Amino acid sequence: GESVGLHLPTLSVQEGDNSIINCAYSNSASDYFIWYKQESGKGPQFIIDIRSNMDKRQGQRVTVLLNKTVKHLSLQIAATQPGDSAVYFCAEPPRTNDYKLSFGAGTTVTVRA
Amino acid sequence: DTGVSQDPRHKITKRGQNVTFRCDPISEHNRLYWYRQTLGQGPEFLTYFQNEAQLEKSRLLSDRFSAERPKGSFSTLEIQRTEQGDSAMYLCASSWGQGINNEQFFGPGTRLTVL
Repeated sequence: GESVGLHLPTLSVQEGDNSIINCAYSNSASDYFIWYKQESGKGPQFIIDIRSNMDKRQGQRVTVLLNKTVKHLSLQIAATQPGDSAVYFCAEPPRTNDYKLSFGAGTTVTVRA
Repeated sequence: DTGVSQDPRHKITKRGQNVTFRCDPISEHNRLYWYRQTLGQGPEFLTYFQNEAQLEKSRLLSDRFSAERPKGSFSTLEIQRTEQGDSAMYLCASSWGQGINNEQFFGPGTRLTVL
């Protein structure tokens, strides 16, 4: 079964506001997490990743936070734009030293103009 | 465009027919993955190649499914005697590296509809 999951299936956000997408995982030994964005009709696109030796990692307009104590990670999108409307997945290798990825069900983000 | 291409993008077939999908990964990538995605769900792992060797198959991959990567470049996924439950998006991804945790680049997928 999947080892990662998202708290909310949908998120509606006003253009210009910040978005926060949450993900919980169950395997305390998990050491690598990735966020993917999937637009309608396209394959998932890598956004940002984080390793378990980090608490925070920043990219362009995105920040991922990892809380290993409660086994939770979040993706924050600053100044959300219409192009951010998509389904967002957190993913991880299901076991240490595993190459494949286990995905959660996804959060659909809709940006209101 | 990630550089991973898949063909066809859409396939409609009748139950019982065989279908074959093709994936062309990023040329220098040594690893190739197949995933299946149903509506409202995240991708589920099917199988994985390192160069031409198929190293792992999911229990989701029944005997009707077969995948090949004969020269370590493109890959094909064949489904024999298709069933309505096979209707899904089939995604291919590729990555490069000797270690784990290398970014996987996904193709646009092949959407299969079995009537």
